[in-house]
Parts: sequence; C-alpha cells; structure tokens
Amino acid sequence: AQTVTQSQPEMSVQEAETVTLSCTYDTSESDYYLFWYKQPPSRQMILVIRQEAYKQQNATENRFSVNFQKAAKSFSLKISDSQLGDAAMYFCAYRREGGATNKLIFGTGTLLAVQP
Amino acid sequence: GAVVSQHPSRVICKSGTSVKIECRSLDFQATTMFWYRQFPKQSLMLMATSNEGSKATYEQGVEKDKFLINHASLTLSTLTVTSAHPEDSSFYICSASPATGKNTEAFFGQGTRLTVV
Repeated sequence: AQTVTQSQPEMSVQEAETVTLSCTYDTSESDYYLFWYKQPPSRQMILVIRQEAYKQQNATENRFSVNFQKAAKSFSLKISDSQLGDAAMYFCAYRREGGATNKLIFGTGTLLAVQP
Repeated sequence: GAVVSQHPSRVICKSGTSVKIECRSLDFQATTMFWYRQFPKQSLMLMATSNEGSKATYEQGVEKDKFLINHASLTLSTLTVTSAHPEDSSFYICSASPATGKNTEAFFGQGTRLTVV
C-alpha cells in the first residue's frame, strides 16, 4: 500500500524568506502523481503544485517549486519570498496513475506559520 | 478551474437525527467522488469512494449504515449521517475529478462543519 509521510508537524518562516517542507512516500508503482495542497484557515483545499512521476523536470509555479527525487521517493516543496498569505496547513498527496477514479493519499500535514 | 460545491457549509443537528450533505460538480461530470472527514489540525481521512450508479466503497472502519452515500447522477453525490451522535461532529469534505481526459487534479468542496448537540 502507498504511504505519504510528512515529518515536520510545524514550520515557521520569516516573511520574504524561503522555507522547504519535506515529504517522502512509498510506492511500488512507476507511474503516479504527486501534489502539494494548501489548506488555509477557511479550510478550502487549494492545489499548490503537481508533479508527474514520469517527468524528470521539477515543477514550478511562481514562488513555489518542488524537488522531486524519484529514486529516493522524496517530494519537497520550496516556498520562496514567503508571504503572510502563505500561512496554512500544507498536505503532500499521492495519486496512482489512472486519473479520476483513484483516490488521493495524504500525508499528515505541516502547519506553516509566517512571521512578519 | 473546475468547481465543486458542497452544501451546507455548517449544520447543527440534534442527537438521533439525520443530516444530508451534498457535493456537486458544477462544470464537469464526475463518475467518482470522494468523502473525507477531518478532525482539527489533522489530515483528511478518506471515508468512502462514491461511484455513480453503483454502491459506494467504504474504507475500513467506516460504518456504511451510519454514513449513507448516494451518487445518483454524474454531478451529485450525497452523504447522509444517520442517527447522528456528538462523536460524529467533525469537518466533512468531498472531492471530485473530471471523468474525461487525464486531468489528475482533485477539486474540493468548501467542506461542511457538522455539530451534533
């Protein structure tokens, strides 16, 4: 069975600084997708970034980028130039290849605080 | 992006009554929807997979007679908490992905905060 592990329950970063959130996963499959979701105090889940396992290039979305190490089964999220609005719970998630019918498997989350 | 609407956002009910939560995909069809439960400061726990036109698949430990799921159309799934008790108080979230194409992103409803008194 696939598992997702986030070893940092809480993190803190100064505004404008950079922070990296860790995520490791376990799977025997070669094709899959990885995601980082943000859950602010409103509790609405928001997709931050996604990575297809078959792509070697790390995904980037503006200030957000990932370090995807497939062999090590590691998928960390880097937030650059942190903003107060980045404060939220961040979940790493795994999904098997095959799309809509496959469930997301979530890590336990990392609560990110941004200090002004 | 695609939109999933969940209703109601908050509900308070008395012990012993039932409450229904709706999850609608507004601009796409979804053959599969997922229902999660989330306790404060914890992760999303998958309760069940809702399949259009067939029975839902429940995760281990989730009572199917307690949490009734109906997925009668390609845009609507409902979760009914039957004979609710205070321990059922929680935050419930649904998600769905478009049935066609290789869209891998899951879209989430706004969540429902259920309080049983």
